Amino acid sequence: DAGITQSPRHKVTETGTPVTLRCHQTENHRYMYWYRQDPGHGLRLIHYSYGVKDTDKGEVSDGYSVSRSKTEDFLLTLESATSSQTSVYFCAISEPGDTQYFGPGTRLTVL
Amino acid sequence: QKEVEQNSGPLSVPEGAIASLNCTYSDRVSQSFFWYRQYSGKSPELIMSIYSNGDKEDGRFTAQLNKASQYVSLLIRDSQPSDSATYLCAVNIGPGTYKYIFGTGTRLKVLA
Repeated sequence: DAGITQSPRHKVTETGTPVTLRCHQTENHRYMYWYRQDPGHGLRLIHYSYGVKDTDKGEVSDGYSVSRSKTEDFLLTLESATSSQTSVYFCAISEPGDTQYFGPGTRLTVL
Repeated sequence: QKEVEQNSGPLSVPEGAIASLNCTYSDRVSQSFFWYRQYSGKSPELIMSIYSNGDKEDGRFTAQLNKASQYVSLLIRDSQPSDSATYLCAVNIGPGTYKYIFGTGTRLKVLA
């Protein structure tokens, strides 16, 4: 997985609770991304980062926030989890315009 | 709305045959094109990248790009049951940009 880890790999939580997912890379890539993948929708970008403390929204950012305090770490937070956020979450890294490499994914279930 | 379109399948081919997967994209300024393979329950892994018109071969895989017609295809020769997976087409828009658009994938089944 190109030096990318995600934690936790599986999580079950209840509606209304905050959840934080972590992505860690050892490749020193500039860009980091959070996607969600749902049947029939493919991969949809939630947020991305183009440097330490530099982040921006993707197409499905409502209900999510991110932070990047170090090059190697990118955190995704669900402020108050809802059942519609049940999904598989993938972190990815890249250099600008180049290949994206994906982490192993986190399966999140919100009850 | 910039889009990447793929036939969802399943595309079923017999073992040893050629599998042909197609992808069309709507943004004419797209610069980089990628094919990923994703097994059920796993993350996408890169198969091929292609940046210029024509064919690019890597082992049993050939990517074909036609920017004028805005399509990119992936051929898998001598298909094996282990090739059974979902294949995602991805497009990077513009040089040095962050934005990648993914198709929803084509499910390939190789029948033994």
